[in-house]
Amino acid sequence: TQLLEQSPQFLSIQEGENLTVYCNSSSVFSSLQWYRQEPGEGPVLLVTVVTGGEVKKLKRLTFQFGDARKDSSLHITAAQPGDTGLYLCADTRYSNSGYALNFGKGTSLLVTP
Amino acid sequence: NAGVMQNPRHLVRRRGQEARLRCSPMKGHSHVYWYRQLPEEGLKFMVYLQKENIIDESGMPKERFSAEFPKEGPSILRIQQVVRGDSAAYFCASSPRRGDEKLFFGSGTQLSVL
Repeated sequence: TQLLEQSPQFLSIQEGENLTVYCNSSSVFSSLQWYRQEPGEGPVLLVTVVTGGEVKKLKRLTFQFGDARKDSSLHITAAQPGDTGLYLCADTRYSNSGYALNFGKGTSLLVTP
Repeated sequence: NAGVMQNPRHLVRRRGQEARLRCSPMKGHSHVYWYRQLPEEGLKFMVYLQKENIIDESGMPKERFSAEFPKEGPSILRIQQVVRGDSAAYFCASSPRRGDEKLFFGSGTQLSVL
């Protein structure tokens, strides 16, 4: 199974600051998804990136996929308390049976007012 | 449209008892995935089911764990003779078709084994 490393493991910042979290793989991603998980809830899909070098924006969130498709980053501009949560990256491993997501351990983000 | 519904939200069992976790997929979805999230670990794939079929159970422990998705009713993840190490959050996700990358997750069942 492909090993996904996410960093940092924990991040605590104040409202209004910018931040970047990272997801790195030991091998090439099929495609990569970013999720946010709030305490006591399931993960919610934020974005899927497929093409090397791809950049996607979702309001204050910017997702980049590395040229070699072995790494990705998530940048949040002017963080807000509502951004607090666990950010997970996942590789979409497709077999002849369908998609099984392979998740990293996540970055736990706390944004304080 | 109701989302993926899991129940119970919290389940407490003593060692040796059985745990049954239920998942009703989103309306129109016939593909269900179960994942387990242990403290300090990421979500781990367990099993992928379609109605009345187990498609991929490569992530399921070989003993005590089973899953089903009958023609009628919710998908069930069953854990027999639970042990403390089974304590975790169990999440169900659904999709409308095979090969659809977008999964919708439920809120999970937190299993605590005393």
